[in-house]
Amino acid sequence: GENVEQHPSTLSVQEGDSAVIKCTYSDSASNYFPWYKQELGKRPQLIIDIRSNVGEKKDQRIAVTLNKTAKHFSLHITETQPEDSAVYFCAASIQNNNDMRFGAGTRLTVKP
Amino acid sequence: NAGVTQTPKFQVLKTGQSMTLQCAQDMNHNSMYWYRQDPGMGLRLIYYSASEGTTDKGEVPNGYNVSRLNKREFSLRLESAAPSQTSVYFCASSVDPNTGELFFGEGSRLTVL
Repeated sequence: GENVEQHPSTLSVQEGDSAVIKCTYSDSASNYFPWYKQELGKRPQLIIDIRSNVGEKKDQRIAVTLNKTAKHFSLHITETQPEDSAVYFCAASIQNNNDMRFGAGTRLTVKP
Repeated sequence: NAGVTQTPKFQVLKTGQSMTLQCAQDMNHNSMYWYRQDPGMGLRLIYYSASEGTTDKGEVPNGYNVSRLNKREFSLRLESAAPSQTSVYFCASSVDPNTGELFFGEGSRLTVL
């Protein structure tokens, strides 16, 4: 089945800097790649997703890029703010939500 | 509109005890899921229900059973709890089984002694 690896496991940046989190996946048939944000003690929430027919998607300060040839995708957060501090999970899915596999998560800390 | 609610939020069990985690959604979603979250392992799917009346195993189903009681409710049962089942459990729902946004509950922290 699908295997998703996520790096780094922890990331600390200064407020205003950019943060990049990278994920690789194993199954070339995967075509849906969401990112979830989980604040401390809260539920995971979808922040952005991308499908395999596009290479990049942006939503204000966050963007996701996808390289299908290399089987990796990345989350980019610009102008980081303390409220961006959370655990971020990437995921990859082939066909349905039930075959979706999550990465292990990245704990992002934004220092004021 | 509460979204996805799950109970209880915290539970401590002794090895061998049984318990049921309850989940309900008020978004008229067809599909519901149970995940467990362990440190360094992300979210892993235990069981899912693509639509009312159907349930299927996910990635880590051993030691669990589920019931899709109706379109709104999806319960997870541990028949004989083991320390390896100590985890945070999340219920989630989606409009349909196809790839799309998962809406999660607030989580249930279970400790098995």
